[in-house]
Amino acid sequence: SQKIEQNSEALNIQEGKTATLTCNYTNYSPAYLQWYRQDPGRGPVFLLLIRENEKEKRKERLKVTFDTTLKQSLFHITASQPADSATYLCALDGGATNKLIFGTGTLLAVQP
Amino acid sequence: NAGVTQTPKFQVLKTGQSMTLQCAQDMNHNSMYWYRQDPGMGLRLIYYSASEGTTDKGEVPNGYNVSRLNKREFSLRLESAAPSQTSVYFCATPVSVYGETQYFGPGTRLLVL
Repeated sequence: SQKIEQNSEALNIQEGKTATLTCNYTNYSPAYLQWYRQDPGRGPVFLLLIRENEKEKRKERLKVTFDTTLKQSLFHITASQPADSATYLCALDGGATNKLIFGTGTLLAVQP
Repeated sequence: NAGVTQTPKFQVLKTGQSMTLQCAQDMNHNSMYWYRQDPGMGLRLIYYSASEGTTDKGEVPNGYNVSRLNKREFSLRLESAAPSQTSVYFCATPVSVYGETQYFGPGTRLLVL
């Protein structure tokens, strides 16, 4: 079955630095991959979607890469701010009916 | 435009009690989903509904039943709650025209004693 791995350890970085989060997957070839942000006590919020034929996607300070050979996506936040502190979830398409398969998420803490 | 609403926000049940979690969306999309989120396990799909009148099992359906009452509403029922069902439950519906991205409700926190 499909397996998604995100670093379970929290990522602590200093304000202004670039945060890089990793999402690895096995036993699957997704048509697209998504990143969501989740704040404590709230539901996930969609950030970016990248398709299998795209190498990179950007949105403001966010950048996502998708390497289908390595079966890996990297999520970058440049010029990070304390307000970027949250859990970031990776999700793969689950095939028909647009189901999603989620990773466990990585907690990002940006220190002022 | 409330998006996705869920009730209740928080509930405490005793083992064996039953309850229904309600979800309503005004995104006018056909599909709706129920997930549970547990520490270290991520979001796992319980049931989904591709359209009004249809429902299908997800990854962890045991112990749950669902009803797609109409296009707006998708309810999740626990007939006999167990401590293993202590979790945070999220309802979601697609956002984009293609239905690939999902919009989540605020969640229901359920504690089963």
